[in-house]
Amino acid sequence: QVQLVESGGGVAHPGESLRLSCAASGFIFSTYPMHWVRQAPGRGLEWVAVISHDGSIKRYADSVKSRFTISRDNSKNTLYLQMDSLRSDDTAVFYCARGVVVEVAPTSVYTAFGPWGQGTLVTVSS
Amino acid sequence: DIQLTQSPSPLSASVGDRVTITCRASHNIITWLAWYQQKAGKAPQLLIYKASSLESGVPSRFSGSGSGTEFTLTISSLQPDDFATYYCQQYNNLPLTFGGGTKVEIK
Repeated sequence: QVQLVESGGGVAHPGESLRLSCAASGFIFSTYPMHWVRQAPGRGLEWVAVISHDGSIKRYADSVKSRFTISRDNSKNTLYLQMDSLRSDDTAVFYCARGVVVEVAPTSVYTAFGPWGQGTLVTVSS
Repeated sequence: DIQLTQSPSPLSASVGDRVTITCRASHNIITWLAWYQQKAGKAPQLLIYKASSLESGVPSRFSGSGSGTEFTLTISSLQPDDFATYYCQQYNNLPLTFGGGTKVEIK
C-alpha cells in the first residue's frame, strides 16, 4: 500500500538548518508531484512547497521562499525539504503529501493532497 | 492569495445528525476544491477532491458540492468516528490555501 514516512525533524536554534526527508513506497514515485504541508501547534494547515514529478517545477509559499528548498531523488523514491535560516515561527509538524493527479494535467503542481505521511515535528527555539 | 472561509466553527452535533460545512472562496476557483478530515494527533485524510468526487475508501455518507466561490461538505448521518476537524483547500491558484477548519464536536 502507499506509504510516506517523514524523518529529520527535531530541535534547532534560530538561524540553523534542518533537512527533512520523506521516503515513499507502494506507488510509482516518479510520476507524482509531491508537497510539503505544515501545521503549527494548535493551528491550521499551511502549504509550504511543491515539486513536479520530474523536479523541473518548484513552487514555494512566500513565508519560506529563499529559505527552504524542495528536491527529490526519484532513484531513491525520496522527497526532501532543506530548511535554512530557521525562525521560531517555523515550529510545526511537517507533512509530506502526494499530489492527487486525477482530473488534472499529468505535469500539474496544482493538486489536492493524498495520501499524507504521519508528520515530523520541527521545533525552533533558542 | 485566495482566502477560504469556513463556517460554522465549531459545529456541535449529535450522532445521526445531517451536518453541513460551508467553504467560501474569495475568488472563483471553479471546482478546484478538496476536503480533508483530521483527527487529533493524526495526519489529515482526503475525503473529497474536485468539489464533489469521493476519494476511494471514504464512506458514502460524505458528499461535496458547489462551484465558483461557494462549496459544501455534507455528512448525511454523523457517526462517532466523524467527530474531527474538517478543512477545505483550493488548488486553482498558487499559493495553495486552506480554510481555517471546522471542528465537529459532540453536542
